[in-house]
Amino acid sequence: QSALTQPPSASGSPGQSVTISCTGTSSDVGGYNSVSWYQQHPGKAPKLVIYEVYKRPSGVPDRFSGSKSGNTASLTVSGLQAEDEADYYCNSYAASKYVFGTGTKVTVL
Amino acid sequence: EGQLVESGGGLVQPGGSLRLSCAASGFSLSDYWMYWVRQGPGKGLEWVSRIKRDGSTTNYAVSVKGRFTISRDNAKNTVYLQMNSLTVEDTAVYYCTREGYSYAFDDWGQGILVTVSS
Repeated sequence: QSALTQPPSASGSPGQSVTISCTGTSSDVGGYNSVSWYQQHPGKAPKLVIYEVYKRPSGVPDRFSGSKSGNTASLTVSGLQAEDEADYYCNSYAASKYVFGTGTKVTVL
Repeated sequence: EGQLVESGGGLVQPGGSLRLSCAASGFSLSDYWMYWVRQGPGKGLEWVSRIKRDGSTTNYAVSVKGRFTISRDNAKNTVYLQMNSLTVEDTAVYYCTREGYSYAFDDWGQGILVTVSS
């Protein structure tokens, strides 16, 4: 199972929006509405920010939103804040297995 | 919100074995599928294994299948990962996590470092 493809980096100024893509295949992203997104700060455990493509866990601000089209899922962070600077990983269920994305480092300029 | 605490990591020689434990508190382990996820030094996240609530179903990543075994003791609120035939490529921080939302992992442990080196 190959890792899902994400851009290595993305950036935006405070208040702006940044969108991260996550490309897989019909066997993972395209085949299930089971895409989740995780935020990871250096030296910390990942934190769930989106599940089932677009749903937000309790406590996650509505600045975080998710979507999917075909084999590509996307995470958008609106109204960027300094604390949003982190690594972001997508994840998809894939028939009794899971696959993570390659990760995207988001920089707040 | 629960808490997960991993233990059992450390330095092991190639070909050796190690057993990780994940102790859960604040929730009933038997209500959740449980998972292990790892992250190599400077690398991304990699799903390793999962186990059903009652332990009847287990799944593994291709990279560890046949070498790693996940198990659980719901009475002790603990999940385990037995790792055999370790290679340098298994060097990573290993996280224990639970499926708190559909196909997604909400609570995570702090991670435990496993270093495979001679």
